[in-house]
Parts: sequence; structure tokens; C-alpha cells
Amino acid sequence: QSVLTQPPSVSGAPGQRVTISCTGSSSSIGAGYDVHWYQQLPGTAPKLLIYTNSNRPSGVPDRFSGSKSGTSASLAITGLQAEDEADYYCQSYDSSLSGYVFGTGTKVTVL
Amino acid sequence: QLQLQASGPGLVKPSETLLLTCSVSGDSISSSSYYWGWIRQTPGKGLEWIGSIYYTGNTYYNPSLKSRVSMSIDTSMMQFSLQLTSVTAADTGVYFCARQVGGLLYFRNWFNPWGQGTLVTVSS
Repeated sequence: QSVLTQPPSVSGAPGQRVTISCTGSSSSIGAGYDVHWYQQLPGTAPKLLIYTNSNRPSGVPDRFSGSKSGTSASLAITGLQAEDEADYYCQSYDSSLSGYVFGTGTKVTVL
Repeated sequence: QLQLQASGPGLVKPSETLLLTCSVSGDSISSSSYYWGWIRQTPGKGLEWIGSIYYTGNTYYNPSLKSRVSMSIDTSMMQFSLQLTSVTAADTGVYFCARQVGGLLYFRNWFNPWGQGTLVTVSS
């Protein structure tokens, strides 16, 4: 079961800003473990979007940004575009589970 | 450009053993910088890390699956494999292989890139 909690869905009009939260615990994000974010388009594999809390791989638009504080992390999408409609997942490490954990996933809808 | 491709039987009977292979191309599987991992996506648990393997054969597994999981690597064939025993319907899902990035402090790792995934259905 996922130990990182995300809202099931968020939506916004084109051009707007949306944020996705990722809430962990004292044995995951709160213990200082890094958070990474993935985008999954329908029928495809997850694609790395943000690594080590706030870093973008080359090729990822700067409309995507990440942050981390306490036991939570956030992904922000500014200037929302139709192509951003996808599922988004956070990932970290959990010391009590001795492994990598993923978020429950958030579906982003562009209105 | 690194590419990974997971393959295996699409249908497995309950209680049997699932065997999947991930073929790597575009970069060396023997790099000392990376682990290689398996992740699955199931209706019941979403994305779930299964286990990881180093080119030396060193492995670490998700404790919740450890009793049923075994991974191996064949550097000459540029492949690594996953064996999951005693499968049930709960193991039905899409299985992805991926390269683990972020150094040998494995708790800092993330997955990039991912293979396209292979659908496994457990049914009699």
C-alpha cells in the first residue's frame, strides 16, 4: 500500500497554476529522504519530472517545479497546458519499510 | 540513448512462478553507477517497488515481497530478470523495469528511464 498520500485529482484552466501535495511521515519525507516526481500519460510508463526535491531533468519545461518541507512535498505546474493532462506520482524512501515508496497518484485535468 | 524493454508471459496461472526479463540497450548494464529495478503497477496497490539489483548481482527487495522474489542479472546479455513465485490475482498488473539513478546511497535513488512495461494477468 502507498505510504505517500496525494489528492486523487486536481484541475485547472489552461494557463492556471495547480499544485499537488505529497504527504509522508517521520520515516519517509520527514526523515529527510528526497522526493522525486513522475508524470504518467495514459498507456505509457512513468517519466521522471523532478528529482531530488526540486531538480528538473533536461527537457522538462520550467513550468514544473518541486519543493519539500517537513513531512510533505509539492509539485507545481504553472501555465497549465492541455498536454499536462496525466497522472502524477511522488516517490521517496521509507526507513520503516526499508524500501522505496510511491504516492497514491493524482490525476490532473485541464478544463 | 538508454532503453529498457520488459518481456514475459502475459498470462500466468495462480500458484505458478512469474519470470520476466528486462533487456537493456544504449548503455552498459555493468556500470558501477547504477542499480536496476523492477516496479509494478497494480489496481490494488498502485505503484509498488519490487526490488533492485547491481551488476555484481547484489540485490535488495521489498520486504513485503521478499519471500517470493528473486532477481538475477546477465551482463553479457545486457539483461536482468525477475522471478516471483506463488502468484495470485493480487499480482496482476503492469510490470516495469527501470534504471536507478542517484548514486550508491540507494535511499537517495530515483528511477530513470523506465521501460514500457509488460502486462501480467494471473488467472486460471
